Amino acid sequence: GESVGLHLPTLSVQEGDNSIINCAYSNSASDYFIWYKQESGKGPQFIIDIRSNMDKRQGQRVTVLLNKTVKHLSLQIAATQPGDSAVYFCAETPGFKTIFGAGTRLFVKA
Amino acid sequence: KAGVTQTPRYLIKTRGQQVTLSCSPISGHRSVSWYQQTPGQGLQFLFEYFSETQRNKGNFPGRFSGRQFSNSRSEMNVSTLELGDSALYLCASSGTGGLDKNIQYFGAGTRLSVL
Repeated sequence: GESVGLHLPTLSVQEGDNSIINCAYSNSASDYFIWYKQESGKGPQFIIDIRSNMDKRQGQRVTVLLNKTVKHLSLQIAATQPGDSAVYFCAETPGFKTIFGAGTRLFVKA
Repeated sequence: KAGVTQTPRYLIKTRGQQVTLSCSPISGHRSVSWYQQTPGQGLQFLFEYFSETQRNKGNFPGRFSGRQFSNSRSEMNVSTLELGDSALYLCASSGTGGLDKNIQYFGAGTRLSVL
């Protein structure tokens, strides 16, 4: 069936280092791929998106890479800060649906 | 613009009872989706409503139902509650044009505890 999965359920990084969160997807019909961040006690919030016809997009301290050949998506966070500690979800959007991955918890060590 | 509002924030019920959760989407958004999130788990899709019609449905039993009103506000109902229904229920709305139709804007959720 359709699925979006993550390679690592938890990731621990040192403050100031770069973080890379990976995601595998299975639906080739998705138009957009989106990353969300969920902090404790809050709902997920949009971070960055990438269209299916792109392979890289940069935001403020974040970069998303899309490899359609192997159906792989990654989120890179530069100079990770304590405020980046959260659960990160990837999502794909085939048609009117949004399919979320299982989530990766990012711990930032001071 | 005000964000997505969910009420109540917390709810305690006992097995066998029913519960209704409410969601007010961002003004102008016509799509409302509901998700169940259990501790340490991801987001399990329940259903999505668009212009008062259920457009997509996840793999949940018929005890879970929802509806959407003409002002786009939505409710979800869970009947005959089970202990396993204890979870955070998240509502998300999305717009109708361009990227906005793909982004889910989430509320803070309703935390339901079933005793």
